Amino acid sequence: GIQVEQSPPDLILQEGANSTLRCNFSDSVNNLQWFHQNPWGQLINLFYIPSGTKQNGRLSATTVATERYSLLYISSSQTTDSGVYFCAVSPSNDYKLSFGAGTTVTVRA
Amino acid sequence: DTAVSQTPKYLVTQMGNDKSIKCEQNLGHDTMYWYKQDSKKFLKIMFSYNNKELIINETVPNRFSPKSPDKAHLNLHINSLELGDSAVYFCASSQPGVYPETQYFGPGTRLLVL
Repeated sequence: GIQVEQSPPDLILQEGANSTLRCNFSDSVNNLQWFHQNPWGQLINLFYIPSGTKQNGRLSATTVATERYSLLYISSSQTTDSGVYFCAVSPSNDYKLSFGAGTTVTVRA
Repeated sequence: DTAVSQTPKYLVTQMGNDKSIKCEQNLGHDTMYWYKQDSKKFLKIMFSYNNKELIINETVPNRFSPKSPDKAHLNLHINSLELGDSAVYFCASSQPGVYPETQYFGPGTRLLVL
């Protein structure tokens, strides 16, 4: 099956800092999503981004499908950004999402 | 109004028992999923139903049996619970073929087998 690698595994930020999370995948995809799992365990969809660039407030994401990677940018981080960020992909003609191992982000005040 | 809901949120039970988790979505989606998140936070799909038909059945012990009475509901029944079944189980739904093909997750059911 498709392999999904996320880096870094852990990230500690001071409030106000910017950061970039990376997701590499091993095959072409027709679905790529970024999720945030908050400290209470809720999985919240951030972006549906199989290609291109999107922005939502302080978060933005870019997927370069031809090079099989996606980046999630967090700007001016806040303590509420803490949690685990997951990248999930599915290959063409497949409903199944395969998740990366996640990046655990801790934002300190 | 919760889009994807699960009951119960917490489940503590003894080894060998049988338990069920229920999921309902009010998004009008045709496809629903069950995922398992282990203690290391790794998420893996277990099953998927499209319009009440099983379309994904990963390598899951046959003690786990999903049932979809209608396209808005997907339940998970687990027989003869084992210690290794302790995990968080997430239900999700999506509408494939309609942009964006976002999967929406329920709040999770935290299962602890003693």
